Amino acid sequence: DAGVTQSPTHLIKTRGQQVTLRCSPISGHKSVSWYQQVLGQGPQFIFQYYEKEERGRGNFPDRFSARQFPNYSSELNVNALLLGDSALYLCASSLVPGGGNTIYFGEGSWLTVV
Amino acid sequence: AQTVTQSQPEMSVQEAETVTLSCTYDTSESDYYLFWYKQPPSRQMILVIRQEAYKQQNATENRFSVNFQKAAKSFSLKISDSQLGDAAMYFCATLSGGGADGLTFGKGTHLIIQP
Repeated sequence: DAGVTQSPTHLIKTRGQQVTLRCSPISGHKSVSWYQQVLGQGPQFIFQYYEKEERGRGNFPDRFSARQFPNYSSELNVNALLLGDSALYLCASSLVPGGGNTIYFGEGSWLTVV
Repeated sequence: AQTVTQSQPEMSVQEAETVTLSCTYDTSESDYYLFWYKQPPSRQMILVIRQEAYKQQNATENRFSVNFQKAAKSFSLKISDSQLGDAAMYFCATLSGGGADGLTFGKGTHLIIQP
């Protein structure tokens, strides 16, 4: 079975532009979460979606938005990109939310803002 | 709010030896879980071990075990018989039982295995 898949793997954007990152969860998983990992730091929680509804949001500005589709895949959108948005964006999936379920991560999307 | 502190930015161990990585946490939740994740140079986060806070027994997974001290809010990872493939960043993390706030990670410990 395929793991959590993310696209694109790498991308470069200019300040002020918009970016969309995509994530396909493991088959059968209905919960998807997004994390931002700046170089040298641990990942920071951005969003959690479950059954197409936002269930949790981290301390990120409104420039960050996300959605989950009926097939449980998800997109993360970031508007008005800043240099500080340069990071590895990780998607994670689990059967349902909660610590009782194993959370699997994708390999991430590297975003560089120039 | 939850916080996780890893006080060792880098640790080095000889191959086949044992190493312990430290982690302390703070949470107001009564229902929570603790994790150790490994992040090799490929950057994919790999679950090493999970501990349910309501369980007193320390979790073990082959060469990996934890020392969970709930009152002290301490959750250390012991790696026995260290192997070259264990070299990676190790992150300690916590998650509330409901999970809506996502995983809270520490800053990580870079583990070096000396051949």
